[in-house]
Amino acid sequence: GAGVSQSPSNKVTEKGKDVELRCDPISGHTALYWYRQSLGQGLEFLIYFQGNSAPDKSGLPSDRFSAERTGGSVSTLTIQRTQQEDSAVYLCATNYDRVIPEAFFGQGTRLTVV
Amino acid sequence: AQTVTQSQPEMSVQEAETVTLSCTYDTSESNYYLFWYKQPPSRQMILVIRQEAYKQQNATENRFSVNFQKAAKSFSLKISDSQLGDTAMYFCAFLNSGGSNYKLTFGKGTLLTVNP
Repeated sequence: GAGVSQSPSNKVTEKGKDVELRCDPISGHTALYWYRQSLGQGLEFLIYFQGNSAPDKSGLPSDRFSAERTGGSVSTLTIQRTQQEDSAVYLCATNYDRVIPEAFFGQGTRLTVV
Repeated sequence: AQTVTQSQPEMSVQEAETVTLSCTYDTSESNYYLFWYKQPPSRQMILVIRQEAYKQQNATENRFSVNFQKAAKSFSLKISDSQLGDTAMYFCAFLNSGGSNYKLTFGKGTLLTVNP
């Protein structure tokens, strides 16, 4: 696609429910990142996929968080048993390895846990 | 591990004036990229400028320029002739260009307000 696409744009869920956030990267981009941004705060790294390598999961805050990247393309971030502190904007970014190092971002998913 | 520090949580500037945002980083790598990203209220992250560490010349993009001091590990952003549309959160970011530690690391951001 022309840009990084994230869906849904906004998600309101009840505490304890599971949610799935989706990221469609720019075609051909090999690297994909997920970040979390709390209101007015910086970017918290969650997970990084690079080609067929094992993902860097070092930023996932708990075992309720997991992510997949299917066929090196679409990625899904899953949060199980959501808590109110999970409320944030979740941003996806992709780049073309070191060839084009700058990352391109989606518009994010604003998750609200009530 | 690389760290990126933005020491100014908030700044303000009058329209048409010049403002400089600070960024320092810590790394043991010699080859890397540095970026400034802008995040307006729309939430969309936009690349402002990019600098390769091996280049001594400071990058410029229209009204935006950087002061890259490799030895001091400093990478400040200068915005000239500030415009109301420059109001945004600005993030400094680091990316290693070699080895296996290839993770885009961001600072905590500086909220810039341009006043009319």
